[in-house]
Amino acid sequence: DTGVSQNPRHKITKRGQNVTFRCDPISEHNRLYWYRQTLGQGPEFLTYFQNEAQLEKSRLLSDRFSAERPKGSFSTLEIQRTEQGDSAMYLCASRTGQGGVNTEAFFGQGTRLTVV
Amino acid sequence: AQKVTQAQTEISVVEKEDVTLDCVYETRDTTYYLFWYKQPPSGELVFLIRRNSFDEQNEISGRYSWNFQKSTSSFNFTITASQVVDSAVYFCALITYDMRFGAGTRLTVKP
Repeated sequence: DTGVSQNPRHKITKRGQNVTFRCDPISEHNRLYWYRQTLGQGPEFLTYFQNEAQLEKSRLLSDRFSAERPKGSFSTLEIQRTEQGDSAMYLCASRTGQGGVNTEAFFGQGTRLTVV
Repeated sequence: AQKVTQAQTEISVVEKEDVTLDCVYETRDTTYYLFWYKQPPSGELVFLIRRNSFDEQNEISGRYSWNFQKSTSSFNFTITASQVVDSAVYFCALITYDMRFGAGTRLTVKP
């Protein structure tokens, strides 16, 4: 396993279009996180899965955003009716649930979304 | 509420200087972990160090060391003898049931 994989790496879309991003975590990791990062800011928490269950969702996530992890493996993040303010880097991270909360998260390289 | 504050937005040092990055956190949980991550220009977040809430012993790992003080809710990170390759954005993270990051400190090490 080469780490957390995110696709696509870059996405340019017109305002109002829907986009979907995919994250493939490290295979034995049951915890998966989505973050959004804008220039000069730290990663902002969006949502968190433990296996297939979505345990927490940030208030940053409007009803235009939805995330799924149907079989507890890969996850998708969909943004409907994109707005220019959605332009950001979307990061996915995974970590194992073994050993409690001590384990570090491994991050993918992110998907950079540009809404024009 | 979980919160991480990195008051230093940018730091610039000359190579071989020591540099300390500050981190202050807030949580009501008694069990938590604190991490430092590095984000080089390539963009991928790289794990550096961790510390749990029950262990305030400070350690040194190579050129990295950290100072964890529960009394002040601080988890500061020091790079000794900085190098140009240390130039990056550094993030402090608080982990309980989820992970929260600070806004980051951009470190520039000049030759």
